[in-house]
Amino acid sequence: AQTVTQSQPEMSVQEAETVTLSCTYDTSESDYYLFWYKQPPSRQMILVIRQEAYKQQNATENRFSVNFQKAAKSFSLKISDSQLGDAAMYFCAYRISGTYKYIFGTGTRLKVLA
Amino acid sequence: SAVISQKPSRDICQRGTSLTIQCQVDSQVTMMFWYRQQPGQSLTLIATANQGSEATYESGFVIDKFPISRPNLTFSTLTVSNMSPEDSSIYLCSSGGASGRYNEQFFGPGTRLTVL
Repeated sequence: AQTVTQSQPEMSVQEAETVTLSCTYDTSESDYYLFWYKQPPSRQMILVIRQEAYKQQNATENRFSVNFQKAAKSFSLKISDSQLGDAAMYFCAYRISGTYKYIFGTGTRLKVLA
Repeated sequence: SAVISQKPSRDICQRGTSLTIQCQVDSQVTMMFWYRQQPGQSLTLIATANQGSEATYESGFVIDKFPISRPNLTFSTLTVSNMSPEDSSIYLCSSGGASGRYNEQFFGPGTRLTVL
């Protein structure tokens, strides 16, 4: 069965600094999608970034980028120039291509210090 | 993208009662999903709400406890029946993108349920 592990329950970063959130997953599939979702205190889950497993190039969205290591089954999120609004719970998620089922990690709470 | 609203945003209920949560999407979507997020925990998929057929439940969740309706392509309800304090949780509705695209799920703001 597929699993998603986020080993950092909580992280802190100074405003304007860079932070990396870790995620590892386990699967026997070769085709799948990986996601990072942000859940602010308001609870609305927002997609941060998405990576297709067949793409070797790491996804980037403005200040957010991933380090996707398929062989190591690792999918970390890097947030550059951290802002106070980045403070939230971040969930790593896995979806098998062609299905609708998402498996979420346990989340990492990110605190941004002014 | 899809904008999803949920009602109620929160409720406090007595043990043994039932609560129906509504989920409205601003566009027609193929799939709608219901998740449970217990305090400080991750999201767990309860079921997929299929339009025109019965919902598909994940292991550990049953229709008698969590009946779901999906009368059209923009609306779904989840009922939490015969509630106990263990049902205290946040319930999230989500949808696949329009035209059945699975590459992103959009989430509602959630319903915070407290059972006394």
